[in-house]
Amino acid sequence: QVLLQGSGPGLVKPSETLSLTCTVSGYSISDAYYWGWIRQAPGKGLEWIGSIYQRGIPHYNSALSSRVSISVDTSKNQFSLRLSSVTAADTAIYYCAGVTCGGDCSFDYWGQGTLVTVSS
Amino acid sequence: EIVLTQSPGTLSLSPGERATLSCRASQSVSSTYLAWYQHKPGQAPRLLIYRASNRAAGIPDRFSGSGLGTDFTLTISRLEPEDCAVYYCQQYGSSPRTFGQGTKVEIK
Repeated sequence: QVLLQGSGPGLVKPSETLSLTCTVSGYSISDAYYWGWIRQAPGKGLEWIGSIYQRGIPHYNSALSSRVSISVDTSKNQFSLRLSSVTAADTAIYYCAGVTCGGDCSFDYWGQGTLVTVSS
Repeated sequence: EIVLTQSPGTLSLSPGERATLSCRASQSVSSTYLAWYQHKPGQAPRLLIYRASNRAAGIPDRFSGSGLGTDFTLTISRLEPEDCAVYYCQQYGSSPRTFGQGTKVEIK
């Protein structure tokens, strides 16, 4: 059974860096087509933040690319998100997700979501 | 950026009825890379359909997807109470990947 578990601080101060980690169990992180982060602000829809492909090649939403970084740690079977210079607009539920169902597929495994609030 | 517009905003139907959800793209979706997700409160989104018409593993055959170009449809042939959720379409053929604003399905 493939499980994704996100972790990280639930409260981040404005202008600081948000850091989240997704731990994958039941599946080798190296075997997926790609992994990604998606967020949902309160009362809003889903927003793709970025993905990281095999060989560690990242791909970011251009609206966030100057502030976002996604990386993979194969030794820990984890991938991570860093979002710098956060503001209240970055308050959201952050989901980690993965694509295992094929190169023409989309996110078939998701974590439960981590609520991150940006506030002083 | 491809903007996805879903309609209707809310659909209220009885168990056993057919639900038809629409997703219209502002530009043609490359290679029909269009997915549909079911999202229930407090849960992770669940992939239903990928590549416009392919059911994901374990998805009941009452869910079906169709369309190409800019117009896509998710059909739930016989609604069941557990289908109460928000449904999102997503295109993943162009960057940035984008989602529609969602259609809420209510069961009477």
